[in-house]
Amino acid sequence: NAGVMQNPRHLVRRRGQEARLRCSPMKGHSHVYWYRQLPEEGLKFMVYLQKENIIDESGMPKERFSAEFPKEGPSILRIQQVVRGDSAAYFCASSLPQDEQYFGPGTRLTVT
Amino acid sequence: AQRVTQPEKLLSVFKGAPVELKCNYSYSGSPELFWYVQYSRQRLQLLLRHISRESIKGFTADLNKGETSFHLKKPFAQEEDSAMYYCALSGRTGGYNKLIFGAGTRLAVHP
Repeated sequence: NAGVMQNPRHLVRRRGQEARLRCSPMKGHSHVYWYRQLPEEGLKFMVYLQKENIIDESGMPKERFSAEFPKEGPSILRIQQVVRGDSAAYFCASSLPQDEQYFGPGTRLTVT
Repeated sequence: AQRVTQPEKLLSVFKGAPVELKCNYSYSGSPELFWYVQYSRQRLQLLLRHISRESIKGFTADLNKGETSFHLKKPFAQEEDSAMYYCALSGRTGGYNKLIFGAGTRLAVHP
């Protein structure tokens, strides 16, 4: 089992562009969490998804951010019209129902 | 408000010395508490959780509800313990673990 995969590992975008971050959960896991880590801060919960459903998006900014976890394929975190303040490390984690979360290596987004 | 506080950004000790990484939390209800560790160039991984009450790699942590603390302790630090440590809590809202993390403490163990 390769563990949770995230790509790209590093992403550079100019202000106004779109960023797409992908997360492939561990085999057999149908629950995905996304977290954001700003410099010098801890990870902050963004969204929790199950296959084809957003269960809790209470940590997502109201605009420009969206997430999906389709029936086939990875979970996608999409940031439209990126701004400098979006620069951060984005982590995804996957789990079985009500079980331990396994984290991916993260995607470091830099907005220039 | 739900919050996890780790007051120390950096804790520097010598090999063989005792270690205590502090964690305080604020939560109305019965949270589940965790310690996560991130070694250099590795991904974040669960170290221990309070409900299991076990010792991992010589580390223990006791939940003190009166002081709302969940400090991580090890009697004799090893160089391989050098890493970033994050305390986290979960309220298990709706049957899933929405984790709230502290800012982390970097433990540096010197030879």
